[in-house]
Amino acid sequence: GAGVSQSPRYKVAKRGQDVALRCDPISGHVSLFWYQQALGQGPEFLTYFQNEAQLDKSGLPSDRFFAERPEGSVSTLKIQRTQQEDSAVYLCASRRSGGGSSSYNEQFFGPGTRLTVL
Amino acid sequence: SQELEQSPQSLIVQEGKNLTINCTSSKTLYGLYWYKQKYGEGLIFLMMLQKGGEEKSHEKITAKLDEKKQQSSLHITASQPSHAGIYLCGADEWTGANNLFFGTGTRLTVIP
Repeated sequence: GAGVSQSPRYKVAKRGQDVALRCDPISGHVSLFWYQQALGQGPEFLTYFQNEAQLDKSGLPSDRFFAERPEGSVSTLKIQRTQQEDSAVYLCASRRSGGGSSSYNEQFFGPGTRLTVL
Repeated sequence: SQELEQSPQSLIVQEGKNLTINCTSSKTLYGLYWYKQKYGEGLIFLMMLQKGGEEKSHEKITAKLDEKKQQSSLHITASQPSHAGIYLCGADEWTGANNLFFGTGTRLTVIP
């Protein structure tokens, strides 16, 4: 497809379970972002990849959160020992460019994965 | 920390009416992005503004960025039910910044 896709679209986990969320960015897009969106809030940045390199992970809320993009395309966000406060929509976005001065930061978002932790 | 204030938080209008949504920052912004989000869907890019005083239009939606690059407005003319959703403004604070930071959104309901 032409857009960013994410799977699964919905995930219900029991507290303490590990989950893995997948993102397929637009083909050829260099940059990939993960955001967390709590109910009624705007998305909040989690982490950023340029190709396979994770250049910024300052937004990850704890060491239970881990993201990878081993071949510079598909990315996985893993949450270990899920807690109720992890319940949110996790959005993935991709950008054609790798960033840098004078580059537009137009990001294309996927539909998100809604995670509910019981 | 960077903050974007959006107003109003929610808006209910009759079909055919005009409306304006505002987005304000306490800091000068490099780029200002407007997105629309429907329930269960991702963010749909609407417009990007980068220059002070810039104005862009697409169909019935017009976005403006003030000269100081701290405030933006999104204006919808002759609203339609298809305009309903959550409008989010996002911004990057400096050239080359990677992550966007977002406002909390404005929920628009259009009554037929």
